[in-house]
Amino acid sequence: EVQLVESGGDLVQPGGSLRLSCAASGFTFSNYWMSWVRQAPGKGLEWVANIKQDGSEKYYVDSVKGRFTISRDNAKNSLYLQMSSLRPEDTAVYYCARRLPASRQWYFDLWGRGTLVTVSS
Amino acid sequence: QSALTQPASVSGSPGQSITISCTGTSSDVGGYNYVSWYQQHPGKAPKFMIYDVSYRPSGVSNRFSGSKSGNTASLTISGLQAEDEADYYCSSYTTSSPVVFGGGTKLTVL
Repeated sequence: EVQLVESGGDLVQPGGSLRLSCAASGFTFSNYWMSWVRQAPGKGLEWVANIKQDGSEKYYVDSVKGRFTISRDNAKNSLYLQMSSLRPEDTAVYYCARRLPASRQWYFDLWGRGTLVTVSS
Repeated sequence: QSALTQPASVSGSPGQSITISCTGTSSDVGGYNYVSWYQQHPGKAPKFMIYDVSYRPSGVSNRFSGSKSGNTASLTISGLQAEDEADYYCSSYTTSSPVVFGGGTKLTVL
């Protein structure tokens, strides 16, 4: 089955760190750009970060630059998001998403169910 | 506050048609034909429904259609069915970011 499964969400104190994982299956993971998208409680979706197939290009929303790091391990079919210096406003469900191939635009044709990150003291 | 504006909720009866709007600016929706729509049922992963304003990915029902006029894109669902009850999100290319999303619209099937 083609799917993405996120894990690693937790309750963490402000200033703390957390590492999210996304396990891909059912498709050739190494062929796709991958992204993290988040959704704060009661809010809309917000793009967080993108990573190229070989990890050579990475892009971030301004609000997480210098605090979050996106990475991948193609041998393990896995995507990661290392989050540090966490703030209450980072509280959200974090989704792993696959970019539609052969598109110049950021369309996401496969999503996971998300993992909840809560930043609170 | 999300960059693209969607109504918080819309509703319709089975068999009817409804339209969800997504309003942006000339820097995103109005300037490019790069709008997409996603459907999300509670607790489920979002589903890719429309791209490039009006194209449907393989497997998406032709009851779903997209359009755009000026700075506003629209998703129309015809022949409304109970399983269409979900949250819907639009997204667009923007000059300031790879992608920007709307705040989401909750569709209720009466």
